[in-house]
Amino acid sequence: GDSVTQMEGPVTLSEEAFLTINCTYTATGYPSLFWYVQYPGEGLQLLLKATKADDKGSNKGFEATYRKETTSFHLEKGSVQVSDSAVYFCALSLSNGNNRLAFGKGNQVVVIP
Amino acid sequence: EPEVTQTPSHQVTQMGQEVILRCVPISNHLYFYWYRQILGQKVEFLVSFYNNEISEKSEIFDDQFSVERPDGSNFTLKIRSTKLEDSAMYFCASSADSYSNQPQHFGDGTRLSIL
Repeated sequence: GDSVTQMEGPVTLSEEAFLTINCTYTATGYPSLFWYVQYPGEGLQLLLKATKADDKGSNKGFEATYRKETTSFHLEKGSVQVSDSAVYFCALSLSNGNNRLAFGKGNQVVVIP
Repeated sequence: EPEVTQTPSHQVTQMGQEVILRCVPISNHLYFYWYRQILGQKVEFLVSFYNNEISEKSEIFDDQFSVERPDGSNFTLKIRSTKLEDSAMYFCASSADSYSNQPQHFGDGTRLSIL
């Protein structure tokens, strides 16, 4: 079935460090790919999206490129801030008319001042 | 910016009781969804709803669950005869249409605790 895999474990890094969170997917069709972020005590917020191969989604300094050849959608940010501390979820949606989202397990990111 | 709102934020219920989780989707959205996240696990799709009927449901969404849009603004998830394993965070979402490139907008969730 369609699925998303995120790298294991929380990510702890210092302010202004470079962040990468890996995401790979398995899908039978041509998915759209998303990153959602969950700040403490809040719901899931769309961070960025890409709808076809080689598209780059970007928002708030975060970027992710849809790589069909490696079935990946890794999230990157060049210089993180304490306010970026949150849980980040990679997700996909297939173009089958129902728009069901399949999520990865999420990665807790903790940015230390 | 319009938001999806969910109530209550936390619901504590005795095992075997019925519970109704409530959601107000974004007003001009037509597609509605419920997801759940058991502690430490992935966010899982439960059901999607359009035009007053279920358009897709997962294997989790068995006869214990039902959804309803009782009026023009609310979208509810009912869980009958709750079990301990129903304890989870339940998220409601809505989208303007069902195309895969259209993002779903999520509420803050209801944390359901079954005792």
